[in-house]
Amino acid sequence: DTAVSQTPKYLVTQMGNDKSIKCEQNLGHDTMYWYKQDSKKFLKIMFSYNNKELIINETVPNRFSPKSPDKAHLNLHINSLELGDSAVYFCASSLRSRLQETQYFGPGTRLLVL
Amino acid sequence: AQSVTQLGSHVSVSEGALVLLRCNYSSSVPPYLFWYVQYPNQGLQLLLKYTSAATLVKGINGFEAEFKKSETSFHLTKPSAHMSDAAEYFCAVSVGTTDSWGKLQFGAGTQVVVTP
Repeated sequence: DTAVSQTPKYLVTQMGNDKSIKCEQNLGHDTMYWYKQDSKKFLKIMFSYNNKELIINETVPNRFSPKSPDKAHLNLHINSLELGDSAVYFCASSLRSRLQETQYFGPGTRLLVL
Repeated sequence: AQSVTQLGSHVSVSEGALVLLRCNYSSSVPPYLFWYVQYPNQGLQLLLKYTSAATLVKGINGFEAEFKKSETSFHLTKPSAHMSDAAEYFCAVSVGTTDSWGKLQFGAGTQVVVTP
């Protein structure tokens, strides 16, 4: 059983294109996150949703727009892709948004912008 | 502000030797601390976490970590390295100003190489 899944696993696209990454969790969690891991393996949070409500919105270009249609899904749409967007994007989920809760990560989506 | 610092971006250990990965935190409030492991081309997997219940925390795959408030440290250890321990290890602190939400702030990671 896959706990947190992401599609696609790999995404290669041209600069200026628009693309979406999808995330689904079957853990019954109410909070979901998007993280970006750069080429130096540094991980940084981008967004977080709790019960479909945006609760964390870091300093991210407004070309990035998350959407949570329900508690089990969190998608990330990226407009006008740039070279610097190349990274691995991880989705995560937790039972609650509280500080001590464990976050469970998906396998990542490797985005390469040419 | 809360943060973590991992000392050493690369650690090489011999199979069977002690694994020691260092993590120091900075926090004005009692922290919640985590160690995650990332195997090549995979997502992050929780090894263990500290939530103030016990200072010595045991995790999966034989790893453990000790929370030392006086040293502001949460170092990860494993008595005997196995080839399968080769991976990237991340220390993280849960950051938030209230009890209603939290986000993980990660250290820069430590790449562990295990030699035969």
